[in-house]
Amino acid sequence: GAVVSQHPSWVICKSGTSVKIECRSLDFQATTMFWYRQFPKQSLMLMATSNEGSKATYEQGVEKDKFLINHASLTLSTLTVTSAHPEDSSFYICSARDIRRAKNTEAFFGQGTRLTVV
Amino acid sequence: GENVEQHPSTLSVQEGDSAVIKCTYSDSASNYFPWYKQELGKRPQLIIDIRSNVGEKKDQRIAVTLNKTAKHFSLHITETQPEDSAVYFCAASNWGNNDMRFGAGTRLTVKP
Repeated sequence: GAVVSQHPSWVICKSGTSVKIECRSLDFQATTMFWYRQFPKQSLMLMATSNEGSKATYEQGVEKDKFLINHASLTLSTLTVTSAHPEDSSFYICSARDIRRAKNTEAFFGQGTRLTVV
Repeated sequence: GENVEQHPSTLSVQEGDSAVIKCTYSDSASNYFPWYKQELGKRPQLIIDIRSNVGEKKDQRIAVTLNKTAKHFSLHITETQPEDSAVYFCAASNWGNNDMRFGAGTRLTVKP
């Protein structure tokens, strides 16, 4: 399968600072990237969907000014958690798909980022 | 928007038995239904998927069935093995909306 690389795999930051998480598709062009948040022993909660070159579509209840998503190229999307607070501590994971490939609608996941805000 | 429900949340079976996980979806426009397996500390990996133009798909010990009328789909694992132990997620995707929403997950434990 295709490879999606997410960086960093873990990060600890101080409350009030911002953290940027990168999601890269290494061997295919990702027209769409999804950002999820996963709490311990819970499901993947969709935060936003980003299409290359356009603004991200945020799910209800997700603050777009707090979780800034940029998808400037077909291989890179970034999630920036601004003014992080302890309640933002979570596992963030991205996935990517190339919707131009009609027969392949599979989404490939990055390895996730464990964010801890202290 | 789409809402995906998944049951059961936990499932324990004896090695060699079958396991069935069921999901329902709300958006009749959804047309792609993947199943992902997530082992502890690892990323979700696709194990099987089905599109809305077929009712069943099988890949060795894994099969998925889809009932479009009832808006539900199921994952069937036969001859379970301890390495099948993981969390399984179903998802539903609408090509037009280009989103992918997941069920709550099922923690499967296969006892040797």
